[in-house]
Amino acid sequence: KQEVTQIPAALSVPEGENLVLNCSFTDSAIYNLQWFRQDPGKGLTSLLLIQSSQREQTSGRLNASLDKSSGRSTLYIAASQPGDSATYLCAVRPLLAGTASKLTFGTGTRLQVTL
Amino acid sequence: DTEVTQTPKHLVMGMTNKKSLKCEQHMGHRAMYWYKQKAKKPPELMFVYSYEKLSINESVPSRFSPECPNSSLLNLHLHALQPEDSALYLCASSQALTGRELAANYGYTFGSGTRLTVV
Repeated sequence: KQEVTQIPAALSVPEGENLVLNCSFTDSAIYNLQWFRQDPGKGLTSLLLIQSSQREQTSGRLNASLDKSSGRSTLYIAASQPGDSATYLCAVRPLLAGTASKLTFGTGTRLQVTL
Repeated sequence: DTEVTQTPKHLVMGMTNKKSLKCEQHMGHRAMYWYKQKAKKPPELMFVYSYEKLSINESVPSRFSPECPNSSLLNLHLHALQPEDSALYLCASSQALTGRELAANYGYTFGSGTRLTVV
């Protein structure tokens, strides 16, 4: 059974810091890994998608890496801003037969960026 | 259109009420999902529809009844809920693909959720 863990569970940093969020998964048989952002009481916003064959993806101040063999992904946020405050979730899509499959979510990292 | 739209945004219902949650997407996705999320927890899968057919039911109680009337719509019918069913209900959609190269390219799109309170 796939298990996905995120460290740290919570993080508070001053504005302007570069930070790294970690995601670990136990089963490397995945199609891809997706990073989401969730504001309190809101839905999930997709940030980055990394295919199993890729090593990293970048979007603006965000960079996500994937090391499938070791079961790890990191989300790097450069020059953090108060608007980055949210919960960040990673999710893996399993390599299973069929046209639809269930995402397995990590436990989440709650980020607060202070002025 | 790259959105998943959920209605209503908020719903308060009594334990004897019948209500429905609605989800709509026009991205041509043929896989649609219902997730339940409790506070400070990750989303938990409830149901998966693929090509309008139920393909996964995660042992959800029968007081939750999903329906996929067409490729763009997904409903969740609620009846005789309990207070512990209060949660954020999220709808998602994705391409329904087979094959490693194709499926790896596509992720999931989530709606903004329905905040359900059972009183």
